Amino acid sequence: GAVVSQHPSRVICKSGTSVKIECRSLDFQATTMFWYRQFPKQSLMLMATSNEGSKATYEQGVEKDKFLINHASLTLSTLTVTSAHPEDSSFYICSARAQSGGNSNQPQHFGDGTRLSIL
Amino acid sequence: AQSVTQLGSHVSVSEGALVLLRCNYSSSVPPYLFWYVQYPNQGLQLLLKYTSAATLVKGINGFEAEFKKSETSFHLTKPSAHMSDAAEYFCAVSGYGGSQGNLIFGKGTKLSVKP
Repeated sequence: GAVVSQHPSRVICKSGTSVKIECRSLDFQATTMFWYRQFPKQSLMLMATSNEGSKATYEQGVEKDKFLINHASLTLSTLTVTSAHPEDSSFYICSARAQSGGNSNQPQHFGDGTRLSIL
Repeated sequence: AQSVTQLGSHVSVSEGALVLLRCNYSSSVPPYLFWYVQYPNQGLQLLLKYTSAATLVKGINGFEAEFKKSETSFHLTKPSAHMSDAAEYFCAVSGYGGSQGNLIFGKGTKLSVKP
């Protein structure tokens, strides 16, 4: 149980292109989804927290107009990197947490990540 | 504020040897603690979690961790390493006591297993 599917797994595109990444919880409903960015040989950096039906909460330093997040249903959140540039190249990982009545002890379940390469 | 420190960015053990990955946390409230494993080019898989129940937590793949409040530690252990255990391991603490529950990750420890 608790499977999170992230698609695509790899994207290579030209500078200026917008890229959409999907994150789906396959067998549970996720009130909250998280988007992380991971640089080579480093830990995960939280970019934003997405709650179904409301605006995402972005971490300090993350451009909300650059990284558009939509969480339209309890099983799907999307991250769109708008007008991507080479410095946006990274490994992006989403996670989802099941509905838990507000307890932060529920674990996050992670997708397999998306390797984004901007030429 | 909460934080996690993982001692040792790289740990190397022989197959069959004890695995010990260290994690210390800082938290002003009772923490929820997690260990995740990441294989190359993949997301994170939950190994185990501590949520204020038993202090010795057993996880998947033979791993376990013990919560020691006096030492503010949550070290991950496995009695006998397998080659398949080679991966990156992240310790994490729940960032807030409320509904967001954002995870704060340590910098990770890469485990290598020698034949």
